[in-house]
Amino acid sequence: GAGVSQSPSNKVTEKGKDVELRCDPISGHTALYWYRQSLGQGLEFLIYFQGNSAPDKSGLPSDRFSAERTGGSVSTLTIQRTQQEDSAVYLCASSPGTGANVLTFGAGSRLTVL
Amino acid sequence: GQNIDQPTEMTATEGAIVQINCTYQTSGFNGLFWYQQHAGEAPTFLSYNVLDGLEEKGRFSSFLSRSKGYSYLLLKELQMKDSASYLCAVRDNTNAGKSTFGDGTTLTVKP
Repeated sequence: GAGVSQSPSNKVTEKGKDVELRCDPISGHTALYWYRQSLGQGLEFLIYFQGNSAPDKSGLPSDRFSAERTGGSVSTLTIQRTQQEDSAVYLCASSPGTGANVLTFGAGSRLTVL
Repeated sequence: GQNIDQPTEMTATEGAIVQINCTYQTSGFNGLFWYQQHAGEAPTFLSYNVLDGLEEKGRFSSFLSRSKGYSYLLLKELQMKDSASYLCAVRDNTNAGKSTFGDGTTLTVKP
């Protein structure tokens, strides 16, 4: 696609429920990132996919968080048994994987855990 | 890993010049980026430096000194629409290009 698409744009859930956030990167971009941003804070790295390499999961805050990237394209971030501290905007970005490797961000998914 | 520091907030006057600094410590450096993020929106790319020196792009310039682990973003002829958060990000050369972000500098431009 022309840009990075994320869905849902807003998600309100109850504590303890599971949520799935989807990211559709720019076509042909081999690198895909998930970041989390709490209100007024910077970007917290979560996970990074690059081509067929094993993903860098070093930023996932707990084992309740997981992510997949199917067919080198669409990615899903899953949060199990959500907690109130998971409330944040989850940003996905993709990049070409070569050259300057500039990130293009999606509009984000705002998650609110009640 | 990466350690990136930038001031939390800055205020400047419309029409003036402002410099936002970023210092970093890294185990492997492969480029530094500046992104702009308006409130409630996603970050957008501003500039990229991989070699020492100044990169100029219209009203915005970015400088890099790799030996000092230092960069700055210079904004000239400030406009009200420049009020935003400015994020410094460093790309790692030890992990196929992963970018790590600083916490951002919130710039407020006043009339």
